[in-house]
Amino acid sequence: KAGVTQTPRYLIKTRGQQVTLSCSPISGHRSVSWYQQTPGQGLQFLFEYFSETQRNKGNFPGRFSGRQFSNSRSEMNVSTLELGDSALYLCASSSGDSRADTQYFGPGTRLTVL
Amino acid sequence: GDSVTQMEGPVTLSEEAFLTINCTYTATGYPSLFWYVQYPGEGLQLLLKATKADDKGSNKGFEATYRKETTSFHLEKGSVQVSDSAVYFCALSAGGKLIFGQGTELSVKP
Repeated sequence: KAGVTQTPRYLIKTRGQQVTLSCSPISGHRSVSWYQQTPGQGLQFLFEYFSETQRNKGNFPGRFSGRQFSNSRSEMNVSTLELGDSALYLCASSSGDSRADTQYFGPGTRLTVL
Repeated sequence: GDSVTQMEGPVTLSEEAFLTINCTYTATGYPSLFWYVQYPGEGLQLLLKATKADDKGSNKGFEATYRKETTSFHLEKGSVQVSDSAVYFCALSAGGKLIFGQGTELSVKP
């Protein structure tokens, strides 16, 4: 089975711009979660989508949003970028059948905001 | 709220040394516990997991036992290799999301 894929792998944006990141889960997985990884804050949960609905949300401002499509692929959008949004954004997929399912991670998208 | 605390790194060991990375957690209920590993420039890879008290997860020579009485999930390996150099994250599942420790960087010297 193919793993979780994320595109693009690297992005450079300037402050004020917006960005869209994409995640394709493992085939058959219906849950997609997003995490932000920074040196200062570590790994923080952004949100989880299951069957096209946001099922869980972390403590991030409304500039961070996401969606999930009928094929379980997910996108994450960040509007009005700030320097502090520079991070590695990781997507993880799971079957979604249990809230304690194992999550499998993609390689991440490295976002740099200048 | 739920949280995970890991021993601070970096940890530097010689090849074939014994490894222990401490992890303790605070949680309501009985979460599943995980160890993930991150190699430079990559995402997180699941190393092992345990879903209930006294379960032992194991993979690639690494082991960790879910200890409810001490709320711990320490990672151990009997003989580390240079290829084990990476950052290790302990995590618990809470309501469908993972809560991570701060990560422990391991460097193994030949």
